[in-house]
Amino acid sequence: NAGVTQTPKFRILKIGQSMTLQCTQDMNHNYMYWYRQDPGMGLKLIYYSVGAGITDKGEVPNGYNVSRSTTEDFPLRLELAAPSQTSVYFCASNSAASGANVLTFGAGSRLTVL
Amino acid sequence: GQSLEQPSEVTAVEGAIVQINCTYQTSGFYGLSWYQQHDGGAPTFLSYNALDGLEETGRFSSFLSRSDSYGYLLLQELQMKDSASYFCAVRGAVGNFNKFYFGSGTKLNVKP
Repeated sequence: NAGVTQTPKFRILKIGQSMTLQCTQDMNHNYMYWYRQDPGMGLKLIYYSVGAGITDKGEVPNGYNVSRSTTEDFPLRLELAAPSQTSVYFCASNSAASGANVLTFGAGSRLTVL
Repeated sequence: GQSLEQPSEVTAVEGAIVQINCTYQTSGFYGLSWYQQHDGGAPTFLSYNALDGLEETGRFSSFLSRSDSYGYLLLQELQMKDSASYFCAVRGAVGNFNKFYFGSGTKLNVKP
């Protein structure tokens, strides 16, 4: 049981480039989330999804896009990367049923924009 | 909106007890959670309080007072491996039901 898997673990981008951070979970969780964590700070919610085909904005959605075509996958797209998007990105999931208050996190993707 | 306040750093010695406080302001409230994060790692769930009172899980306990918008995490018999950052998080209620908001974290340093 892999839990929440994120790829890539590390990436360096140039300003203006685009990329997609991948997230997949094998726990059949309904809810999935993308957070970013700047050094020494807490987690800020970027986007979340309550099920396939349904997404909504969090606290800091500007510069990002998401899609949820399947229950398992929730990719995060960065368009026109900027230095302000240098951060560690965490994908998380939880179940609408049991454990609804427990977020399971992936290992994170460390992104640097130069 | 939501805001959570935690001390930025706490230091304690091995074997001691430490309390990490969290105060929150929220437009809706469904529960308070605590997460642990070691340097370079992912946050992992520790505990959750939906109702007032104390929840105990081994060496860790968590307390909530909804009337005071306040909670704390209590760590007993501190071990070196407890050195990590600890985050409180609130789950938004009603319109924000599925959103979890995090504090800035408290870095716990455990010394021998």
